[in-house]
Amino acid sequence: AQKVTQAQTEISVVEKEDVTLDCVYETRDTTYYLFWYKQPPSGELVFLIRRNSFDEQNEISGRYSWNFQKSTSSFNFTITASQVVDSAVYFCALSEAGTGNQFYFGTGTSLTVIP
Amino acid sequence: DTGVSQNPRHKITKRGQNVTFRCDPISEHNRLYWYRQTLGQGPEFLTYFQNEAQLEKSRLLSDRFSAERPKGSFSTLEIQRTEQGDSAMYLCASREDRASAAFFGQGTRLTVV
Repeated sequence: AQKVTQAQTEISVVEKEDVTLDCVYETRDTTYYLFWYKQPPSGELVFLIRRNSFDEQNEISGRYSWNFQKSTSSFNFTITASQVVDSAVYFCALSEAGTGNQFYFGTGTSLTVIP
Repeated sequence: DTGVSQNPRHKITKRGQNVTFRCDPISEHNRLYWYRQTLGQGPEFLTYFQNEAQLEKSRLLSDRFSAERPKGSFSTLEIQRTEQGDSAMYLCASREDRASAAFFGQGTRLTVV
């Protein structure tokens, strides 16, 4: 079973629009960690944010914000006032504290911001 | 040491040849991972080291793949008798502990012709 699901394969928005990228995860561990990574065309995975399972506070960093809801097993990512430089593939990932150490990645959402 | 370093960045090889990739993690990170990524997919776990010990290996990993981390510092990933299906981006990541984020290198893009 897929542990991390990113249902949106591709999204296109016009510059300055807000966009939300969805992430749904599945785990039986009570302690786990959630991450978002950005992969621009250059290919390198860039770390954006980490959340542990005990911290459901939403977080805002500049134009980026994250909404973690354990009740729905979701960890959604919103970009406000999108810019062309936000165009990239975004990956949500899960790491479980109990069973192993690997990261489980979703299939990614390709975001295109149109000027 | 500002990040994870991978060499080479690109490798083109003929089918049947052996290839070896190198990863230098962030120096204070004792956990090291290898992932593989194909076009349009998320990174797929291959193997994990804690210091020099290889603690996890994907069940999907062919026995043509082997990885080492001899002194708990850099790591190598070798693919023997390469096949066209091995063509992918091979990513290395390191991590300080089980709760922290993993930081990725720029990857080695392998093309098997």
